[in-house]
Amino acid sequence: AQSVTQLDSQVPVFEEAPVELRCNYSSSVSVYLFWYVQYPNQGLQLLLKYLSGSTLVKGINGFEAEFNKSQTSFHLRKPSVHISDTAEYFCAVIQGAQKLVFGQGTRLTINP
Amino acid sequence: DGGITQSPKYLFRKEGQNVTLSCEQNLNHDAMYWYRQDPGQGLRLIYYSQIVNDFQKGDIAEGYSVSREKKESFPLTVTSAQKNPTAFYLCASRDRGHSGNTIYFGEGSWLTVV
Repeated sequence: AQSVTQLDSQVPVFEEAPVELRCNYSSSVSVYLFWYVQYPNQGLQLLLKYLSGSTLVKGINGFEAEFNKSQTSFHLRKPSVHISDTAEYFCAVIQGAQKLVFGQGTRLTINP
Repeated sequence: DGGITQSPKYLFRKEGQNVTLSCEQNLNHDAMYWYRQDPGQGLRLIYYSQIVNDFQKGDIAEGYSVSREKKESFPLTVTSAQKNPTAFYLCASRDRGHSGNTIYFGEGSWLTVV
């Protein structure tokens, strides 16, 4: 079965610093990859997605992610974070049976 | 505006009661999903439906039931058989058209057993 691993449960960074949230998935066959953001007491909002084509994907709020097939990774990056980026971030994959499988989430905390 | 509407936002249930969470979408999506979210455990799939009048169990279906009588509606019933129902419940629907297999989420419903 497909699985997704987010390597860090919590990531604290200072404002205006760069950040990388790591995500690895288990399957080497064709997959669709997603990053979602969740603010407190809210649903999930799509940040970006990889379906095919260019391995560097740009999303909303200045985030981007790079699909690396050989390393089965889809790490999320932002060159300079803001206080408003404080949230929980989820990596997810669709493969095969069309179910979306989520990682455990990474809580990003931005310190002033 | 198009979107996914979940109601109620907050719900309290007494032990032994069944409760139903509503999920409506006007996005014309075929597939709909219910996820449960507990702190530190990410999201777990309860049930999903690829088409009207059809649905499949997810990873944690015990104690839950669903129906899919209309394309736009996918209600979730939390039965008294669910031993630990207090959680945040998220409904989602999937677009296989122009947005390319993207799943969109509602704002969620908090269920608390009192």
